[in-house]
Amino acid sequence: DVVLTQTPPTLSATIGQSVSISCRSSQSLLHSNGNTYLNWLLQRPGQPPQLLIYLVSRLESGVPNRFSGSGSGTDFTLKISGVEAEDLGVYYCVQSTHAPRTFGGGTKLELK
Amino acid sequence: EIQLQESGPGLVKPSQSLSLTCSVTGYTITSGYDWSWIRKFPGNKMEWMGYISYSGSTNYNPSLKSRISITRDTSKNQFFLQLNSVTTEDTATYYCARKYYFDYWGQGVMVTVSS
Repeated sequence: DVVLTQTPPTLSATIGQSVSISCRSSQSLLHSNGNTYLNWLLQRPGQPPQLLIYLVSRLESGVPNRFSGSGSGTDFTLKISGVEAEDLGVYYCVQSTHAPRTFGGGTKLELK
Repeated sequence: EIQLQESGPGLVKPSQSLSLTCSVTGYTITSGYDWSWIRKFPGNKMEWMGYISYSGSTNYNPSLKSRISITRDTSKNQFFLQLNSVTTEDTATYYCARKYYFDYWGQGVMVTVSS
């Protein structure tokens, strides 16, 4: 199975600070069809996960544009440009290029 | 608006079967996409369990392949999870979700395996 390693496991930030989360894959996530099926989710406390970004960098409808995704191959990054209080929770990367689909271990974003 | 809602027992005894339902409104499950079951264990670990596609084909996580079955009732626009021979390690919150990138999720149902 593809292993996704997220760093850091915990991130402390102040409101307005910009932060980044890394997701590294044990294999390239470039599919033979040319797409890279790497997505980012946020799970707020007491809520189901919410899709933020799909196909590495495409912002899901309704998601604020302070969220952005980048990367290729095995290295990917989620950036939040100006953390807001509603951004607190656990972030996951998830890949659908290879079967079975797998998740990263999560990064918990806390207020400093 | 597309909504997914899980339902099922919150407590299952070891060695028994876990059965959950995902009811979908706002989209017909035979119209497109795949429909997954995902679980989150105590802590942060998430596991994709498998899906049933709009055509009815299934794909399971090999780690569960001998114990899992995903089926559907198209007349009710529902799909189902059955997990056999459960142990305490199957204690988790179970979610249903749509598409390969999980754009819609249910609220989740917490299932405890305990005697």
